[in-house]
Amino acid sequence: GNSVTQMEGPVTLSEEAFLTINCTYTATGYPSLFWYVQYPGEGLQLLLKATKADDKGSNKGFEATYRKETTSFHLEKGSVQVSDSAVYFCALSDMDSSASKIIFGSGTRLSIRP
Amino acid sequence: NAGVTQTPKFQVLKTGQSMTLQCAQDMNHNSMYWYRQDPGMGLRLIYYSASEGTTDKGEVPNGYNVSRLNKREFSLRLESAAPSQTSVYFCASSTRQGATDSPLHFGNGTRLTVT
Repeated sequence: GNSVTQMEGPVTLSEEAFLTINCTYTATGYPSLFWYVQYPGEGLQLLLKATKADDKGSNKGFEATYRKETTSFHLEKGSVQVSDSAVYFCALSDMDSSASKIIFGSGTRLSIRP
Repeated sequence: NAGVTQTPKFQVLKTGQSMTLQCAQDMNHNSMYWYRQDPGMGLRLIYYSASEGTTDKGEVPNGYNVSRLNKREFSLRLESAAPSQTSVYFCASSTRQGATDSPLHFGNGTRLTVT
């Protein structure tokens, strides 16, 4: 079946460092890909998405490119801030007969030191 | 904008007790979902409702039931709670039935402890 694998955390970086969180997927067909972010005590929020190969999703300085050839959707940011500390989830959409279901990776906790 | 509202925020149950988690959305979304979040396991789909009047099992449905009361509301019931159901429960909704590019909108979760 479809699945998402993302790098295990926690990831700890200093402020202004470059961030990469790896995500790879297994899917039949042509899924859409998402990154969600979860701040402490809150639900998940959509960070960015890409709906077809070679699309780049971006938001709040984060970027991810849908790479069909490597089945990857790695999250990057050039200069992280303390406020980026959160748990990040990679996800893909999975179509069945009646609804689009979204399958999540296990999450990567990111901590940024001032 | 309320978005997705879940109640209660916290709950402690004894083994064997029952309870219903409530969820309502005000975005006129067609599809609604219940997930559970456990450490190191990400989010796992319990049940979903593609549209009003339909419900389907997700990855981990055992021990749960759901009701899509109307387009706005989707409840999750634990008939006889077990310690293995200790988790954080999230309700979510999405706009377009059958659309793979439709993201989820989440509530803030219910933290349930079963002793």
